[in-house]
Amino acid sequence: QTVVTQEPSFSVSPGGTVTLTCGLSSGSVATNHYPSWYQQTPGQPPRLLIYRTNIRSSGVPDRFSGSILGNKAALTITGAQADDESDYYCVLDMGSGISVFGGGTKVTVL
Amino acid sequence: QVHLQESGPGLVKPSETLSLTCDVSGYSISSGYFWGWIRQPPGKGLEWIGTIHYGRSPYYNSSLQSRVTISIDTSKNQLSLRLSSVTAADTAVYYCARIGGHLYGNTWYPEYFEHWGQGTLVIVSS
Repeated sequence: QTVVTQEPSFSVSPGGTVTLTCGLSSGSVATNHYPSWYQQTPGQPPRLLIYRTNIRSSGVPDRFSGSILGNKAALTITGAQADDESDYYCVLDMGSGISVFGGGTKVTVL
Repeated sequence: QVHLQESGPGLVKPSETLSLTCDVSGYSISSGYFWGWIRQPPGKGLEWIGTIHYGRSPYYNSSLQSRVTISIDTSKNQLSLRLSSVTAADTAVYYCARIGGHLYGNTWYPEYFEHWGQGTLVIVSS
């Protein structure tokens, strides 16, 4: 059973930078896992931020960026703002039409 | 602009079948893209349920495969979810989504969940 791993929580200061990661319980994340990232605030559906590792979805501020760092996918928030305080989820394509969500990272801006 | 809206009973009894529909407006389901269902138990993370493309067999989460059916009704431009033999563990907010894809060889595969409905809460309880 494939498990996609994310840090449970992160704290960042306003204006600061934070990098969230998305890994695999077994093996490395690569571009052919087509990592995507989602932001979710309480009571709202998730919002697509990044897809195909590093492509920002329409309307997403450029302070959000995606990459592969080592053996994980990464989402970096540069110049964090108060309204970036949210839960962030990654999704990996495991092939054959199978998608797996990570457990999510709760980001606090304080 | 595509819009998705989930609907269905908010309360289902244990062992019964959960049935939800997702009305799609602003885009014809049969024109392309993948479509799928995702759920989120209260206070927990997101779980992919399954994905379908018009004219192709659906893909399902292996942990739910024996109980889940996803289908498309093009006459209503609607996506459907059926989950049988439900238990309290199936209590969740259920989302439908339009899913973008990528081409691998000659075949398109689902990739990213680009548009989401607002979600509907389903509670399993007697």
